[in-house]
Amino acid sequence: DAKTTQPNSMESNEEEPVHLPCNHSTISGTDYIHWYRQLPSQGPEYVIHGLTSNVNNRMASLAIAEDRKSSTLILHRATLRDAAVYYCILRRMDSSYKLIFGSGTRLLVRP
Amino acid sequence: GAVVSQHPSWVICKSGTSVKIECRSLDFQATTMFWYRQFPKQSLMLMATSNEGSKATYEQGVEKDKFLINHASLTLSTLTVTSAHPEDSSFYICSARGRQKTYEQYFGPGTRLTVT
Repeated sequence: DAKTTQPNSMESNEEEPVHLPCNHSTISGTDYIHWYRQLPSQGPEYVIHGLTSNVNNRMASLAIAEDRKSSTLILHRATLRDAAVYYCILRRMDSSYKLIFGSGTRLLVRP
Repeated sequence: GAVVSQHPSWVICKSGTSVKIECRSLDFQATTMFWYRQFPKQSLMLMATSNEGSKATYEQGVEKDKFLINHASLTLSTLTVTSAHPEDSSFYICSARGRQKTYEQYFGPGTRLTVT
């Protein structure tokens, strides 16, 4: 499984944008880029995913580099409820739909 | 929509006993369910994948005779930790994938297992 590298932690001020980076230099052409987040003492929740093009949804935006070796999750206005561990995951385009979690980035949001 | 529940939310058992954890998709049919384990301050580790009506596929290093998985229906999967030991104490999380939005896994709230 292709590996992702994320900073251990990041801090942000409330109501400011947050850019969470992820490196995946060994990504293959059949890997989707998924982002999940896990709030304290809860199961993870889906945030966004993409393949080649940038993606937007109500939660966040995903910017994918042209060579696909890195991506950035963008939270446009961080709130205290966005404090969580954010996982960048490469999901192989096969029938297993398995998610292999890396270590993630712990986002702290300052009021 | 797309809610996954787990029962119990926490359980304490004695060493040598077995514990069953249930995972239910409440408002959708789950074609695939996944079981993860998470130790404190660590990431999730995928244990196994189960499809309704078929045997679970275990990840390398996970003992299938110790962690019994049954996916009896499209809304229920169970994980039984047999002959539990203190090192099995962990946070167990299930997820489910439905027929729609197949790219998304819906996670349960987790079950905290403590083996004394």
